[in-house]
Amino acid sequence: AQKVTQAQTEISVVEKEDVTLDCVYETRDTTYYLFWYKQPPSGELVFLIRRNSFDEQNEISGRYSWNFQKSTSSFNFTITASQVVDSAVYFCALSEATFTGNQFYFGTGTSLTVIP
Amino acid sequence: DSGVTQTPKHLITATGQRVTLRCSPRSGDLSVYWYQQSLDQGLQFLIQYYNGEERAKGNILERFSAQQFPDLHSELNLSSLELGDSALYFCASNRGLQETQYFGPGTRLLVL
Repeated sequence: AQKVTQAQTEISVVEKEDVTLDCVYETRDTTYYLFWYKQPPSGELVFLIRRNSFDEQNEISGRYSWNFQKSTSSFNFTITASQVVDSAVYFCALSEATFTGNQFYFGTGTSLTVIP
Repeated sequence: DSGVTQTPKHLITATGQRVTLRCSPRSGDLSVYWYQQSLDQGLQFLIQYYNGEERAKGNILERFSAQQFPDLHSELNLSSLELGDSALYFCASNRGLQETQYFGPGTRLLVL
């Protein structure tokens, strides 16, 4: 079973529209971390946000906001007033601790295209 | 710039060959992770090292091996290469367990 599910494979929006990228995760750990990364066409993976399992406060950073709901195991990402530069693949990730290390599980990504 | 460096940026080789990918973590980071990103498989975790020791293993093939050296740089060795090994290989580093991973620019491997 997938630990992190990003059901939206591809999304297209027109510039200035708001868009929400969904992320659903699965874990039995009480302590875990959730992340969002952006992969623009150039290929690098850019860190956007990290959230621990004890902090359900929503976060806003400029046009980006994140909604973490443990009750539904979701960590959704909203871009407000989208811009062409937001076009990228966005990955949600889960980190669980093991006895000796930790594993990161990535979703399959959502490809966002913002049309000018 | 994440501070993580990877060399080479591109690599073209033939089936059956062996290659070595190199990663230098951010200054102060003790942990190194390797990932494979292919078109049909998404981003797959391969292996994690922490201060020279293997700490976690993901979907790493037996033909692949890695190590982290005393200066904390890491190498991923891919042998008996197959066409399906063509992918983007990322290295990431962080300071401690469950801390944010910062990714290098990746090595694009093409096996012909």
